[in-house]
Amino acid sequence: EGQLVESGGGSVQPGSSLRLSCAASGFTFSDYAMHWVRQAPGKGLEWVSGISWNSVTTGYADSVKGQFTISRDNAKHSLYLQLNSLRPEDTALYYCAKGRTYQILLENGFDIWGLGTMVSVSS
Amino acid sequence: QSALTQPASVSGSPGQSITISCTGTSSDIGAYNLVSWYQHHPGKAPKLIIYDVSNRPSGISVRFSGSKSGNTASLTISGLHADDESDYYCSSYTSTTTHVVFGGGTKLTVL
Repeated sequence: EGQLVESGGGSVQPGSSLRLSCAASGFTFSDYAMHWVRQAPGKGLEWVSGISWNSVTTGYADSVKGQFTISRDNAKHSLYLQLNSLRPEDTALYYCAKGRTYQILLENGFDIWGLGTMVSVSS
Repeated sequence: QSALTQPASVSGSPGQSITISCTGTSSDIGAYNLVSWYQHHPGKAPKLIIYDVSNRPSGISVRFSGSKSGNTASLTISGLHADDESDYYCSSYTSTTTHVVFGGGTKLTVL
C-alpha cells in the first residue's frame, strides 16, 4: 500500500516563502497525477493544486494562482509546492494526495493521502 | 464559503442509516459523474470511500454507498457503527479553472 509523507511546513511571517515536499513510496509515482489539498484550522478541505504525471499540466485554485507553484521529480518520487508571499489566510495543514489517474483533468478521487504538514503565517 | 454545500452535521443511532447530501451546480456535480466522498478522522489522513459517484475502493465496506441526482450527490451509510463517527467531505471535478471543489464537510455523530 502506498504512503505519502509531507515535510517543510513551519511558522513564518507574512510575505515569507516556504517549500513543501512530499515523499512517495509503495506505488509507481510516475504513473499518477499528484495534488495538494489544505485545511485551515476549523475549516473544511480545499484543493490547492495538481500536476499531471509528466508535469505538462498543472492547475491551481483561484486563491493561490500566481502565488504557489507545484512541481514534481519522478526520479526522486517527490512532489513539491513552492509557497510565496504567504498571507495569514494561507495558514493551514497541507496534505499531499495521489490522484487515481495520470491526468488532473477529469480527476476522480484522491486515493492516498499523507498526514499533512502545518503552515502557520502570522506576524 | 465552500463550492459544494453539505449539512454541517447529521446524527444517527447504531444500526440506523443516514444520508449526507452534497449540492453543487451544473458546472460540477451536474456535469460530471466524478463525485468522490472522503471520511476524515481529525489527526488522520482523509480516506477515499466513494469515487465516480457510486464506486467503492477496495476494502471499503458495502455499508457505504453513493448516488447522484441532478446537481446533488448523496452518501448513505447503512447499519451505523460507532467508528463511523467522523467528518465526511464530498468533492467533484469542475469545469472551472479550479478543477476540483470540496464541500464544507459534515460531522457525523453516532448517538
